[in-house]
Amino acid sequence: AQKITQTQPGMFVQEKEAVTLDCTYDTSDQSYGLFWYKQPSSGEMIFLIYQGSYDEQNATEGRYSLNFQKARKSANLVISASQLGDSAMYFCAMREGDTGFQKLVFGTGTRLLVSP
Amino acid sequence: DTGVSQNPRHKITKRGQNVTFRCDPISEHNRLYWYRQTLGQGPEFLTYFQNEAQLEKSRLLSDRFSAERPKGSFSTLEIQRTEQGDSAMYLCASSPGTALDTEAFFGQGTRLTVV
Repeated sequence: AQKITQTQPGMFVQEKEAVTLDCTYDTSDQSYGLFWYKQPSSGEMIFLIYQGSYDEQNATEGRYSLNFQKARKSANLVISASQLGDSAMYFCAMREGDTGFQKLVFGTGTRLLVSP
Repeated sequence: DTGVSQNPRHKITKRGQNVTFRCDPISEHNRLYWYRQTLGQGPEFLTYFQNEAQLEKSRLLSDRFSAERPKGSFSTLEIQRTEQGDSAMYLCASSPGTALDTEAFFGQGTRLTVV
């Protein structure tokens, strides 16, 4: 069975600094996708970044990058130059297979607080 | 607004009552998903539609839950005889339905409180 583990319930970072949010996963499938979502207090899940299991390069989207270490089964999110608006819950998620079927398994999340 | 729309945003109901939530996906998205999120947890998959066909249901979706997507556009999620354990955020998401979707777009959710 799939499993996503986020071991950091909360993280604090100062504005303009970089922060890494940890995510490890467990799957027996060779083909899978890894996602990070941001959930502000409004409740909406905002897609941040995607990494396919066969992608050789780490995914990047603006200030977000995904540090994908396949052998260690980790997919950490790196946020560079943190902003006050980055304060939110962050969820790592996984999809098995490559059918595009977005049945995602989510971790328990990490609450990020960015201070001035 | 071209995002996923969910109504109502908040619902308070008495135990035993029936409730219905609506989700309007992004136009022309073939796939629609329902997730449930309880306090302190990540969302959990409930069910999935490809156009009007409901293709998968989670074990979490008891007999009291029913979801429909009658014309392949909007979807409804009904909970009959609500219980306090049903209190949660119900999230809807949609995706284009291409061979390899790389993201699902979520709505802002409906927060249900059963008293």
